[in-house]
Amino acid sequence: AQKVTQAQTEISVVEKEDVTLDCVYETRDTTYYLFWYKQPPSGELVFLIRRNSFDEQNEISGRYSWNFQKSTSSFNFTITASQVVDSAVYFCALSGTNAGKSTFGDGTTLTVKP
Amino acid sequence: GAVVSQHPSRVICKSGTSVKIECRSLDFQATTMFWYRQFPKQSLMLMATSNEGSKATYEQGVEKDKFLINHASLTLSTLTVTSAHPEDSSFYICSAQARGGAIDTQYFGPGTRLTVL
Repeated sequence: AQKVTQAQTEISVVEKEDVTLDCVYETRDTTYYLFWYKQPPSGELVFLIRRNSFDEQNEISGRYSWNFQKSTSSFNFTITASQVVDSAVYFCALSGTNAGKSTFGDGTTLTVKP
Repeated sequence: GAVVSQHPSRVICKSGTSVKIECRSLDFQATTMFWYRQFPKQSLMLMATSNEGSKATYEQGVEKDKFLINHASLTLSTLTVTSAHPEDSSFYICSAQARGGAIDTQYFGPGTRLTVL
């Protein structure tokens, strides 16, 4: 069985602060995929990143960066210099070879205050 | 990028009625679509996998007779909530995988918010 744990239910920061959202996963698959999605109040999921289990290289995209560590089964997400528009619920998800059958974490609600 | 639409975006219905939600892939063919349900302030839970031309595969605990799924074409899957009750009120989200596309990629629709009175 697969499991994704996002231990932080809610995080509140002040604009321009850096913030890291944690994600820990469990799977018996040797090949798997990890995802991060953003869900603003409108409800529509916004895809942020996809990582496969064989690629542990960290990634940076603008103010976003991801740290994938298989040794600790973690896939953490950092927002640098947070902005009010970053306020949303962020989900970490895990899938085997079929991305459609994803297991989602419970989400972390990020509030960025001006 | 690939676009998936859902219709309606919001629906309010009376208890006991049936509601149909459509999920369409607008610019690609989707052999497989997925239906998720999200209760307020909770995570997304996969309900079923919809394959074009065949019966849907339901996750454990999901009543297939209550949540009817039809995937009649490569661009359309429908979810019908039959005899809806207030506890079925939720946010329903579909996703689609492109035909011949990477199986590690899925495109989400904008969701349908169902309220059963």
